[in-house]
Amino acid sequence: KQEVTQIPAALSVPEGENLVLNCSFTDSAIYNLQWFRQDPGKGLTSLLLIQSSQREQTSGRLNASLDKSSGRSTLYIAASQPGDSATYLCAVSGDYKLSFGAGTTVTVRA
Amino acid sequence: GAGVSQSPSNKVTEKGKDVELRCDPISGHTALYWYRQSLGQGLEFLIYFQGNSAPDKSGLPSDRFSAERTGGSVSTLTIQRTQQEDSAVYLCASSDITPETQYFGPGTRLLVL
Repeated sequence: KQEVTQIPAALSVPEGENLVLNCSFTDSAIYNLQWFRQDPGKGLTSLLLIQSSQREQTSGRLNASLDKSSGRSTLYIAASQPGDSATYLCAVSGDYKLSFGAGTTVTVRA
Repeated sequence: GAGVSQSPSNKVTEKGKDVELRCDPISGHTALYWYRQSLGQGLEFLIYFQGNSAPDKSGLPSDRFSAERTGGSVSTLTIQRTQQEDSAVYLCASSDITPETQYFGPGTRLLVL
């Protein structure tokens, strides 16, 4: 069974600092990995999807890397803003089901 | 275009009652998923529909849970004889290709008293 772990569970940084969120998974036989953002009381917003054949994906201030062999992904958010405060979830897909980590709750202090 | 919509957004029910949760996927998406997000369990897969194929029900926690998808579009998740441990946020997602980016709805927050 796929196990997904996210470290740290919570993170608080001053505005402008870069964020580094980590995700690890136990089974490297994945099709893709997705990073989501969840705001309190809301659903999930897809941020980036990395196919298993890719090493990284970028969108604006967001960059996600994938090292399938070691079972790790990292989400970098450059020049953080208070609006980046949310919970970030990592999910891996072995077929179609997503296996989620517990999330990292980020607070960006103005 | 319109995203995934779910109704109701909130539902409060008494233990033992049946509830129905609805999901409208993004138009044209052939794959539809239900997940549950609870405090103790995090986000967990419940059921998957793909076109006219038999659904994957392997994530349903008990036989009190069932789901159907009519006309390859709208889906209904039904929980019979609700229990307090069914209290959670039920999230629906859809995608146009499997496996590909899954787009999530806002969820239905279910509280069983």
